[in-house]
Amino acid sequence: DTAVSQTPKYLVTQMGNDKSIKCEQNLGHDTMYWYKQDSKKFLKIMFSYNNKELIINETVPNRFSPKSPDKAHLNLHINSLELGDSAVYFCASSPSLPGQGTGNTIYFGEGSWLTVV
Amino acid sequence: KQEVTQIPAALSVPEGENLVLNCSFTDSAIYNLQWFRQDPGKGLTSLLLIQSSQREQTSGRLNASLDKSSGRSTLYIAASQPGDSATYLCAVDRTYKYIFGTGTRLKVLA
Repeated sequence: DTAVSQTPKYLVTQMGNDKSIKCEQNLGHDTMYWYKQDSKKFLKIMFSYNNKELIINETVPNRFSPKSPDKAHLNLHINSLELGDSAVYFCASSPSLPGQGTGNTIYFGEGSWLTVV
Repeated sequence: KQEVTQIPAALSVPEGENLVLNCSFTDSAIYNLQWFRQDPGKGLTSLLLIQSSQREQTSGRLNASLDKSSGRSTLYIAASQPGDSATYLCAVDRTYKYIFGTGTRLKVLA
């Protein structure tokens, strides 16, 4: 049983299109995240949610809009895709927010490879 | 601002060697430090988590140490195997987010 699952795994789309990536976790965690990994493999946080509430928006363009219908799901919608949006997007979850206690392991999905042409 | 750096960026070693990967962070006010492994085309798998009150954690051939005061952690891999080839990342948690290091790409040659 996959703990954090995201779909689709691969996505090739043209500039200007709108696309969504879905994420679900079955771990019962309160906190979910979206991370972006660029071509140099650097992993940077985009958003974090806790119990469906937005906690962090790390200066991400307004074209990116996360939505959390419940605490087990965190979807990412991207409008007007640009070439620079090409990257791997990782969904992750943890029992609680970082900085709120020790032993807070974060679990990652397998990633969604987005290519904008 | 917390910055996390990993040295070396890439490492190639023959099978059987013991090796050390380094992680440095600029702000010692962390709760946890985690080490992850990322295989090509895959997500990140947590290897070890060290709580701020701990000095080290061990799992099989892996041993991770933490020195908060100096802002350093090391991941020691004993008797390396080709299956250990992957990118290794460390991450520290600050308020509301995990901050990842730049990664070390390890290749163990058979």
